Amino acid sequence: AQSVTQLGSHVSVSEGALVLLRCNYSSSVPPYLFWYVQYPNQGLQLLLKYTSAATLVKGINGFEAEFKKSETSFHLTKPSAHMSDAAEYFCAVQGGSEKLVFGKGTKLTVNP
Amino acid sequence: AAGVIQSPRHLIKEKRETATLKCYPIPRHDTVYWYQQGPGQDPQFLISFYEKMQSDKGSIPDRFSAQQFSDYHSELNMSSLELGDSALYFCASSFTGTGRSEQYFGPGTRLTVT
Repeated sequence: AQSVTQLGSHVSVSEGALVLLRCNYSSSVPPYLFWYVQYPNQGLQLLLKYTSAATLVKGINGFEAEFKKSETSFHLTKPSAHMSDAAEYFCAVQGGSEKLVFGKGTKLTVNP
Repeated sequence: AAGVIQSPRHLIKEKRETATLKCYPIPRHDTVYWYQQGPGQDPQFLISFYEKMQSDKGSIPDRFSAQQFSDYHSELNMSSLELGDSALYFCASSFTGTGRSEQYFGPGTRLTVT
């Protein structure tokens, strides 16, 4: 079975500061991992994905994530937060079956 | 590029009524997934279809049924609606082929049950 734990349901940063959103996973098979962003009243947009190639994955809007098998982590980072990054972020794991299992989400607030 | 289409985008129903949500996958995608996202919740997997056959089933109530048609579009039928069914329903599609693949999400259908 697969599961995802996102540490911190709310994260607040200042504009220009580092963004770090934490995700730990559990999977009985080598996982595929994803980060999605959801703006209010909108759908899910894929930020980036790990599918067993490079462990450092670069995504859209300046985000990146590093797959660390020893730590079962896939944390999302961005060097400098922008006001437009304020949204909810979901980490998801895809195990042996095709379905995605999502974490509870982290709401990112960016303060001016 | 073509995206996943969901209709309607918004739906308001009363308790005990029936609702039908439609999903049109990206052309040549062979797998459709349905997810339910309650208010302030994470998306939960409901059901999936691969080549028109049910491939996996999650926490889908017995009041709900779904199918994938010959043109690969899918419909989620929901009967005896309850207030707790109010949620955002996402459809996603992928080309599964011989392995795991990225899912592309539609914009969702927001169902409100009053």
